[in-house]
Amino acid sequence: QKEVEQNSGPLSVPEGAIASLNCTYSDRGSQSFFWYRQYSGKSPELIMSIYSNGDKEDGRFTAQLNKASQYVSLLIRDSQPSDSATYLCAVNPRAAVNKLTFGGGTRVLVKP
Amino acid sequence: DAGVIQSPRHEVTEMGQEVTLRCKPISGHDYLFWYRQTMMRGLELLIYFNNNVPIDDSGMPEDRFSAKMPNASFSTLKIQPSEPRDSAVYFCASSSHAGTGVPYGYTFGSGTRLTVV
Repeated sequence: QKEVEQNSGPLSVPEGAIASLNCTYSDRGSQSFFWYRQYSGKSPELIMSIYSNGDKEDGRFTAQLNKASQYVSLLIRDSQPSDSATYLCAVNPRAAVNKLTFGGGTRVLVKP
Repeated sequence: DAGVIQSPRHEVTEMGQEVTLRCKPISGHDYLFWYRQTMMRGLELLIYFNNNVPIDDSGMPEDRFSAKMPNASFSTLKIQPSEPRDSAVYFCASSSHAGTGVPYGYTFGSGTRLTVV
């Protein structure tokens, strides 16, 4: 089992709709969770961090964390063509200090 | 803030040659990470430093890879000798963390696209 798993996609979403991305992780003691966006040919860019169970909203993005079920999700509201990218889930495992393990990423395509 | 600076942006080299990748982290960040990204394996952590000291190099694929951080503003990743399977994008990232030990997210450099022919 991979430490951090994501559906590779592509997730095709109409413009204006909600894109829902999921990520599961294997280490139950994981403490910190991050979502990165990576455009083709570019470097990953941090868009959200979440540390506690529940929802965290930032603009059109909402991160949701459920430690009991070991999943973290990202919602993108009012999806725009500029949101078309690969979204990477990253987890800070219990045993390590400030060491992120990344999922394989979900490719999102927003169609006008 | 200039961000994390990596050089070169692109490197094409012949098998067997030595390759050196360079990174300047964000000033004040006390963690530096080297990642490798390929289509097949995604983002893999190679090594990371805290306060210039290597903490975990378990991701370094083999002895051909070495990394150094002689001071807080500079790090190198060296591959000697290089092989075609080393072809990938190599990212450097830096971060700090809160006093409680809770890590902040990383800031990535633009990456070095390495092609070994």
